[in-house]
Amino acid sequence: GAVVSQHPSRVICKSGTSVKIECRSLDFQATTMFWYRQFPKQSLMLMATSNEGSKATYEQGVEKDKFLINHASLTLSTLTVTSAHPEDSSFYICSARLAGGLETQYFGPGTRLLVL
Amino acid sequence: AQSVSQHNHHVILSEAASLELGCNYSYGGTVNLFWYVQYPGQHLQLLLKYFSGDPLVKGIKGFEAEFIKSKFSFNLRKPSVQWSDTAEYFCAVKAGGGYQKVTFGTGTKLQVIP
Repeated sequence: GAVVSQHPSRVICKSGTSVKIECRSLDFQATTMFWYRQFPKQSLMLMATSNEGSKATYEQGVEKDKFLINHASLTLSTLTVTSAHPEDSSFYICSARLAGGLETQYFGPGTRLLVL
Repeated sequence: AQSVSQHNHHVILSEAASLELGCNYSYGGTVNLFWYVQYPGQHLQLLLKYFSGDPLVKGIKGFEAEFIKSKFSFNLRKPSVQWSDTAEYFCAVKAGGGYQKVTFGTGTKLQVIP
């Protein structure tokens, strides 16, 4: 149980285009989903917290107009990287927290984004 | 804000050796502590967690961690590692009570040599 999927697993796009990444909780409802970014040899950096039916809460330094987050249902959150630049190339990971759960997060497999 | 330090970035052990990975955090209040593991090509999985109670926490696959409040530490241990334990291990901390974000350490890559 508690499986989280991400789609796509890898994406290559041209600079200036937008890319949407989906995060789904497959067998549970997640009132809260988290989006992280992981740089090589560095820790996971929380970008934003997504609550179903409300606006996402962004961490300091994360541009909300560039990284659009939508959490339209209890099983789906999307991250859209708008007007992508090469420096946005990274590994993006989502996690989901069980509704009413004890703070345990379940992680997706991640999405590797490469912006040319 | 809380922070997490993992001092060992890369650890190489032979099978059957004992393992201890260090994790120290900085936060003066109540904390929830986690160890996550990421096997090659797989996503992060919860290994064990501490919320309250017995400071010695046992997780899956023979791992355990001990919360020492006075040292702000939550070290991960395993008495005898196996080749299949080769993975990256992340310590994480959340300030307890209500909504707080989870902060991750930089991770420790463990390589177990058969």
